[in-house]
Amino acid sequence: GAVVSQHPSRVICKSGTSVKIECRSLDFQATTMFWYRQFPKQSLMLMATSNEGSKATYEQGVEKDKFLINHASLTLSTLTVTSAHPEDSSFYICSAPGTGSYEQYFGPGTRLTVT
Amino acid sequence: AQSVTQLDSQVPVFEEAPVELRCNYSSSVSVYLFWYVQYPNQGLQLLLKYLSGSTLVKGINGFEAEFNKSQTSFHLRKPSVHISDTAEYFCAVNFKGAQKLVFGQGTRLTINP
Repeated sequence: GAVVSQHPSRVICKSGTSVKIECRSLDFQATTMFWYRQFPKQSLMLMATSNEGSKATYEQGVEKDKFLINHASLTLSTLTVTSAHPEDSSFYICSAPGTGSYEQYFGPGTRLTVT
Repeated sequence: AQSVTQLDSQVPVFEEAPVELRCNYSSSVSVYLFWYVQYPNQGLQLLLKYLSGSTLVKGINGFEAEFNKSQTSFHLRKPSVHISDTAEYFCAVNFKGAQKLVFGQGTRLTINP
């Protein structure tokens, strides 16, 4: 089946620094990927849609300059949290739709802790 | 408006008892329906999906769900739960024409011995 990986699985960074999270589709190509954040005991909140070769589409209320998304190839999307602050601490999950399918495949998530 | 509602935030049940997790949606377009399970600190795993055809769909781990168009529901059921079923369950809907999924609030299923 289709596999999506994320790296790193956990990251701790200091306030004010930037951190990059990678999302890869391992055995299929994805022109679109989705980025979610999830607070403890809450549902997934869609942050943005990553589009290969073009700008990402951000959901209302998500700061574009804060959460930089780059989809440079058909198998890789990156989310960079710039000037991170403790309130950015969360679980970040990416997903990609399968080829010709309405199903989405999810990465294992990245736990970001900002100290 | 398009929305997904999971009315039960928490469902405690005893081991080997049956369980039903409810999911309702609101939509003016046709839908594709999914149930995902999330174990602590992990991503989401697909349990089952309804795209078309038979309204009763069977998934992994003994789960099944039934699509009821008139009631706009897609409830998840299991006849006998196990301790290992303790997890968070999310109902998700793809509203035709859109590529993204809309998630319900999630239901925490707790299995007691």
